[in-house]
Amino acid sequence: QKEVEQNSGPLSVPEGAIASLNCTYSDRGSQSFFWYRQYSGKSPELIMSIYSNGDKEDGRFTAQLNKASQYVSLLIRDSQPSDSATYLCAVNGVRGSSNTGKLIFGQGTTLQVKP
Amino acid sequence: GAGVSQTPSNKVTEKGKYVELRCDPISGHTALYWYRQSLGQGPEFLIYFQGTGAADDSGLPNDRFFAVRPEGSVSTLKIQRTERGDSAVYLCASSVDRNYEQYFGPGTRLTVT
Repeated sequence: QKEVEQNSGPLSVPEGAIASLNCTYSDRGSQSFFWYRQYSGKSPELIMSIYSNGDKEDGRFTAQLNKASQYVSLLIRDSQPSDSATYLCAVNGVRGSSNTGKLIFGQGTTLQVKP
Repeated sequence: GAGVSQTPSNKVTEKGKYVELRCDPISGHTALYWYRQSLGQGPEFLIYFQGTGAADDSGLPNDRFFAVRPEGSVSTLKIQRTERGDSAVYLCASSVDRNYEQYFGPGTRLTVT
């Protein structure tokens, strides 16, 4: 079992729809969770971080964390063609009760927003 | 402010040669990380520096890989006797400390022929 799992997609949604991206992780002690957006040929760009259970909203983006079920999700409202990219879920590794600093990434989900 | 910078942006080298990749983190960030990304995969952790010391080098694949950060700012990733399998994008990131968000540089695309 991979430490961080994402469906590779592609996930295709029409412009204006809500895109829902999901991620599961294996280490129950993980404390810090991140979503990165990566355009083709570019480096990952941080779009959301979440540290506690529940929802965190930033503009059109909402991150959701459920530690009991060990999943993190990202919702993108009013999807735009410019949102078409690969979305990477990352989890900070832990040793004991402390973050190690090492980010463990999923393989990414490709999102296509069609005009 | 200025983000993480990496040089060179592209490096082509022959098998067996030595290469150095440089990273300049965001000013004030004490934590610096190196990752490697192959096509279609998420970044893979290599090494983490807190200040001048390597706090975790568990991701370095073998002893041909080495990294330094002598003054706690700029870091250099060094690869000896390069192999074709080392071809990838090498990403550097920095953060305030290990508990917080990491910001990535543009990467160095290494091609070993």
